[in-house]
Amino acid sequence: DIQMTQSPSTLSASVGDRVTITCRASQTISYWLAWYQQKPGKAPKLLIHKASSLESGVPSRFSGSGSGTEFTLTISSLQPDDFATYYCQQYNSYSTLIFGGGTKVEIK
Amino acid sequence: QVQVVQSGAEVKKPGASLKVSCKASGYTFTGYYMHWVRQAPGQGLEWMGWIDPNSGVTNYAQKFQGRVTMTGDTSISTAYMELSRLRSDDTAVYYCARGEAVGALDVWGKGTTVTVSS
Repeated sequence: DIQMTQSPSTLSASVGDRVTITCRASQTISYWLAWYQQKPGKAPKLLIHKASSLESGVPSRFSGSGSGTEFTLTISSLQPDDFATYYCQQYNSYSTLIFGGGTKVEIK
Repeated sequence: QVQVVQSGAEVKKPGASLKVSCKASGYTFTGYYMHWVRQAPGQGLEWMGWIDPNSGVTNYAQKFQGRVTMTGDTSISTAYMELSRLRSDDTAVYYCARGEAVGALDVWGKGTTVTVSS
C-alpha cells in the first residue's frame, strides 16, 4: 500500500503567519491528493482536491501544490479560525484510500 | 441542502456487532459512492471502505475484510455499515462520507460515536 507521511506533526504559529504543511507519498500518485481540515469534535472538511483545486466556499488563503510524491498545503495568512488539524489523503489507488497522519496547527 | 445524517451514539460489549446508518438527502443517492472512515480517540483518520449504492458493489480495506459489511437501501437513500466481533480498539467515531470510487470525500456526516466496553 501507498504510505502518506505528513510533516510536521505539530506546528505552532501566530495569526498572520504563512504556514506550509508537507505530505509525501511513498510512490507516485500523480495529482490525486486531497486536503482536509478537522476541528475538535467535528467531521473533516474538504479543502482541496486534485492537489491544487480549491473546494467551493473555501477561503483563497488556502492553496495546494505538488504532484508525484510531494505535496504542500499553504495557508497564506493564518486566521484564528484556521487553528485545527489538517490531513492529506491520496486517492490514486483504486483499492485503497490512505490518509496522512495529520498536522495540528496550534497557537504560538 | 446536500447532507448525510448518521444514527446516534452506541455502546457495545466486546464480541457484539454494530450497525450504523447514514441517510443521504439533497442529491441523487445512487450517483455517488458512500465511504466509511473511522477515528479512534486522539488518533487520525482511517478509511474502512466504500459502497456503490447503485450496484451494491463494495470495496473494503484489507484490515476490515471479514468483519465489515456495507449495504445500501436506495428506497430510503440510506447506507449502512455493520462491524462484527467488536473489540475495545473499535472504540471510535465512525463517519460516512460521499465521494467517488476513488476521489476526495466532499460531504461528511457528523459522526457516530461508538464505545466498546465490557
